[in-house]
Amino acid sequence: SQQGEEDPQALSIQEGENATMNCSYKTSINNLQWYRQNSGRGLVHLILIRSNEREKHSGRLRVTLDTSKKSSSLLITASRAADTASYFCATDGEDTGRRALTFGSGTRLQVQP
Amino acid sequence: KAGVTQTPRYLIKTRGQQVTLSCSPISGHRSVSWYQQTPGQGLQFLFEYFSETQRNKGNFPGRFSGRQFSNSRSEMNVSTLELGDSALYLCASSLGTINEQFFGPGTRLTVL
Repeated sequence: SQQGEEDPQALSIQEGENATMNCSYKTSINNLQWYRQNSGRGLVHLILIRSNEREKHSGRLRVTLDTSKKSSSLLITASRAADTASYFCATDGEDTGRRALTFGSGTRLQVQP
Repeated sequence: KAGVTQTPRYLIKTRGQQVTLSCSPISGHRSVSWYQQTPGQGLQFLFEYFSETQRNKGNFPGRFSGRQFSNSRSEMNVSTLELGDSALYLCASSLGTINEQFFGPGTRLTVL
């Protein structure tokens, strides 16, 4: 079973709108990462947030982390059709001795032009 | 720098056969991890190699094995293939930790 659960499973929005995806996890972590995957291809690292950070920005991406609730959110602002992809959170939890990434189930984002 | 490369990109095998997949990490990266991605189970960690040693292993049967060579290239082998082994197999490399892994395009394995 996966540590991370993401919600929603699928999201469809119009270009220019903001997209918010949420991730929950079960064990304590050192950091949480977000990755993007275009259909059937490899994953691309987007951003890493450490357990002692609450918010991080990178371009149009904003990530928040709430360790008390064991949850994180990824906000993509002013979305573009090219943002259409699946987004995964990944954690280095205690369950793997912090030696492997445990991925969430992913959110499929569709941005309509 | 060239990215992570995986060969072959597509593979079709039949039940009972074995398969070997190859991964070349980014130059200078010593850690290589393998993941299996299926619609039902999502992304699952298989194993990680660092400096030719398996450093960590996921919950997969012994039919799944791997190795890493002195140039950091890695191979994974699946013996006695089952239908459920059909998946996208992803390789990722990093400098030495599991932070910011760089993924290859994957090998799509279909078992008939």
